[in-house]
Amino acid sequence: DQQVKQNSPSLSVQEGRISILNCDYTNSMFDYFLWYKKYPAEGPTFLISISSIKDKNEDGRFTVFLNKSAKHLSLHIVPSQPGDSAVYFCAAPHKAGGGATNKLIFGTGTLLAVQP
Amino acid sequence: SQTIHQWPATLVQPVGSPLSLECTVEGTSNPNLYWYRQAAGRGLQLLFYSVGIGQISSEVPQNLSASRPQDRQFILSSKKLLLSDSGFYLCALDRGWPEAFFGQGTRLTVV
Repeated sequence: DQQVKQNSPSLSVQEGRISILNCDYTNSMFDYFLWYKKYPAEGPTFLISISSIKDKNEDGRFTVFLNKSAKHLSLHIVPSQPGDSAVYFCAAPHKAGGGATNKLIFGTGTLLAVQP
Repeated sequence: SQTIHQWPATLVQPVGSPLSLECTVEGTSNPNLYWYRQAAGRGLQLLFYSVGIGQISSEVPQNLSASRPQDRQFILSSKKLLLSDSGFYLCALDRGWPEAFFGQGTRLTVV
C-alpha cells in the first residue's frame, strides 16, 4: 500500500517558466508533508515543508500547496532554473508505533528537467 | 553543524558475499538514526531505525540487518547479498521534527 504517490515520473519545463510537481496521499492521519530534492549520487536535501493546518507555505521561489480534502499537495517552482533539475520527492512522517522518530514515507519521485 | 559520513561511496559485490556499510555522524549526541534504500525506479524506503545504542527497529523484512555499537555509529550488514539488495543506501538522522538529514549515500551493485 503506497501511502504517498507521485504519479508523474518526469517533467520537462523551460527555464523561467513554472514547474508544478504533484503528490497524492491516502493516509488522512498525516499532519505534515515535506519536499526533498535529490541530485544523482547524492543524498536528498530538505527543500520545504507544510503543516496540515496550513494550505500554503512559501520560501523564495518554492511554494507548496496543500488540499486536504483532495489529499493532494503540489510544489511550485517559479521561475524554474536549470539548477533545479533533479529528482523531487514528496514525504510524510509516519507516527504509527510512537511519534518519537522522524520515520518518513516517501513517494517515488519526479525527475524535473529544466531546459535552458 | 551536523554531518553524516558514509562509506564507501560505491561498492560492487558478488551475490552471496557479505556486506558492511558504515555511517558515522558528528555534531550531535544521542541522535535517532535511519537507514533508507532507494532501489532502481522506486522511492526511498525506510529499512531500519535506531533511537539509541543497541536499539534497532526493522521496518521491512529483508536480507539485511543493522547494528548501533556506538552512539554516533550505525552499521548496515548482510551475511549473503542477493541481487535484489542492489540500490542506493542512505543514512539519515533527525533534524528537528519531522525533517530528516541525509548522508551522501552508498551505491551498492550486486553482481
